[in-house]
Amino acid sequence: DQQVKQNSPSLSVQEGRISILNCDYTNSMFDYFLWYKKYPAEGPTFLISISSIKDKNEDGRFTVFLNKSAKHLSLHIVPSQPGDSAVYFCAASVLDSNYQLIWGAGTKLIIKP
Amino acid sequence: NAGVTQTPKFQVLKTGQSMTLQCAQDMNHEYMSWYRQDPGMGLRLIHYSVGAGITDQGEVPNGYNVSRSTTEDFPLRLLSAAPSQTSVYFCASSYGTAKNIQYFGAGTRLSVL
Repeated sequence: DQQVKQNSPSLSVQEGRISILNCDYTNSMFDYFLWYKKYPAEGPTFLISISSIKDKNEDGRFTVFLNKSAKHLSLHIVPSQPGDSAVYFCAASVLDSNYQLIWGAGTKLIIKP
Repeated sequence: NAGVTQTPKFQVLKTGQSMTLQCAQDMNHEYMSWYRQDPGMGLRLIHYSVGAGITDQGEVPNGYNVSRSTTEDFPLRLLSAAPSQTSVYFCASSYGTAKNIQYFGAGTRLSVL
């Protein structure tokens, strides 16, 4: 039973447009969410996070939105650039619960020129 | 900065062989962990450590052993390799209060024949 779901295995977006990556979760105890980005042959790198006390967090071109009632979060990338082509993972945890993260399966984002 | 270093990058084993995947970090992070990534699935936690001398099991610990004799090193041992252990393995570390923002190595791709 996947507690964190990324239902789109891949997403193709035109350069300059907005990319929206989605993530759903089932465990209401999750109170901290993170997005990681992964290039081929590299490890994941941290991108942005959000605590459940917030509904939005921005960092430059990246914004994460959290809808607790729907158990849904999304990552917006505006504008999308070729270097954004990567696999994006959503992860969740109960804060301070021995640091374990539950990961989604990832969404491969392809930015078309 | 070297960050998190994993060796080897690739390994092929025969069923029943044993081996150790190495992981070292030079950031003085207290928390280290091992994940495996399989196609269509998120990263799954194998073992983790909150400091030297302390280790604990994650979601999928069977068939793997770990030890943490120093802050820097966190090796993962496969006792008797099985084809089900064919995967990409990632080591990660984190520090301070941002315990869930983890820094990853580049991964070890393991095939068990």
